[in-house]
Amino acid sequence: KQEVTQIPAALSVPEGENLVLNCSFTDSAIYNLQWFRQDPGKGLTSLLLIQSSQREQTSGRLNASLDKSSGRSTLYIAASQPGDSATYLCAVIKGIYNQGGKLIFGQGTELSVKP
Amino acid sequence: EAEVAQSPRYKITEKSQAVAFWCDPISGHATLYWYRQILGQGPELLVQFQDESVVDDSQLPKDRFSAERLKGVDSTLKIQPAELGDSAMYLCASSLDVWRDTQYFGPGTRLTVL
Repeated sequence: KQEVTQIPAALSVPEGENLVLNCSFTDSAIYNLQWFRQDPGKGLTSLLLIQSSQREQTSGRLNASLDKSSGRSTLYIAASQPGDSATYLCAVIKGIYNQGGKLIFGQGTELSVKP
Repeated sequence: EAEVAQSPRYKITEKSQAVAFWCDPISGHATLYWYRQILGQGPELLVQFQDESVVDDSQLPKDRFSAERLKGVDSTLKIQPAELGDSAMYLCASSLDVWRDTQYFGPGTRLTVL
């Protein structure tokens, strides 16, 4: 059974700091990996999607990497801002033959960026 | 920009009562998902539709939960009777293509069972 773990569970940093969020998964047979952001009491917003054949994806101040062989992904946030405060969720996408991609989520990292 | 719509946003009910949640996916999205997210955890898939057909409901507690998508567009998730442990956020998502496209999530319905 695929398990996804995110470390740390919570993180508090001062504004301007670069930071790394970690995601590990137990089964390397994944289709894709996706990072989401969730603001308190809200739905999920997709940040980056990494295809299984890719090593990384970048969007603005965000960079996500994927190492399937070691079962790890990292989300790098450069020059953090208070507006980055949210919960960040990692999800592996496991391909099911007749169902398409199934998202399996980690428990999230709650990020707080202090002014 | 098109969005997934959900209602109600908040629902408070007493245990043993029936509750229903509604989701309207992005127009043209054939795949619709219902997730349950317990506080402090990641979402867990309850049911997946392809058009009007259920393709995965392996994690849906079928003794009390039901879901339908009659015309392959909007969807309803029902709980009857509600239990204290059902308190959670219920998220709906849709995607254009089950394999290549990302899932777009709605704002969710926060359910509290007293």
